[in-house]
Amino acid sequence: AQSVTQPDIHITVSEGASLELRCNYSYGATPYLFWYVQSPGQGLQLLLKYFSGDTLVQGIKGFEAEFKRSQSSFNLRKPSVHWSDAAEYFCAVAPIYSGGGADGLTFGKGTHLIIQP
Amino acid sequence: GAVVSQHPSRVICKSGTSVKIECRSLDFQATTMFWYRQFPKQSLMLMATSNEGSKATYEQGVEKDKFLINHASLTLSTLTVTSAHPEDSSFYICSTYAGGRSAPQHFGDGTRLSIL
Repeated sequence: AQSVTQPDIHITVSEGASLELRCNYSYGATPYLFWYVQSPGQGLQLLLKYFSGDTLVQGIKGFEAEFKRSQSSFNLRKPSVHWSDAAEYFCAVAPIYSGGGADGLTFGKGTHLIIQP
Repeated sequence: GAVVSQHPSRVICKSGTSVKIECRSLDFQATTMFWYRQFPKQSLMLMATSNEGSKATYEQGVEKDKFLINHASLTLSTLTVTSAHPEDSSFYICSTYAGGRSAPQHFGDGTRLSIL
């Protein structure tokens, strides 16, 4: 069975500092990979996705993620965080046979990002 | 703009009541919709997959008689929590899938269900 691990439950970063959120997955083959962001009481917004090709993926709001097959990782990064980035971040995977969205996603437990002034 | 509309955003009701949650795909015809449940400070867990015109597929451990799903059109799926009890209180989120390769899922804003 596939699984997603986000080892950091909480991360605190100063405004303007760089950010890296970790995500590791366990799956028989390279799955489709996603990062979503959730503000309190809200649904999920897609930040970026990796299906194939260039392993460095650019997303919205200045986020990027790098897929590393050898490490089964898909870490999310941002060079300079803003107070509005404070939210819950979820890494998710979908089976490669699903076409990306045709199957239910498997989510990590999330990382709560706190921004210090 | 919003791709998925979920309604209501919040429901508070008495134990034993049945509650219906709607998920509408606004920008495209969604052949498949998904229903997730999220406990406080936890991740999303897939409950069921809703396919237009056919029966929903439920994940292991999800009671299909408790959580009734109807996907009667390509733009609307409903989740009805029947005879709700306090343990059904949770955040329910739907997502839609337009079909085709490399198409991600788009999520609604969720419904906070509180059973007293």
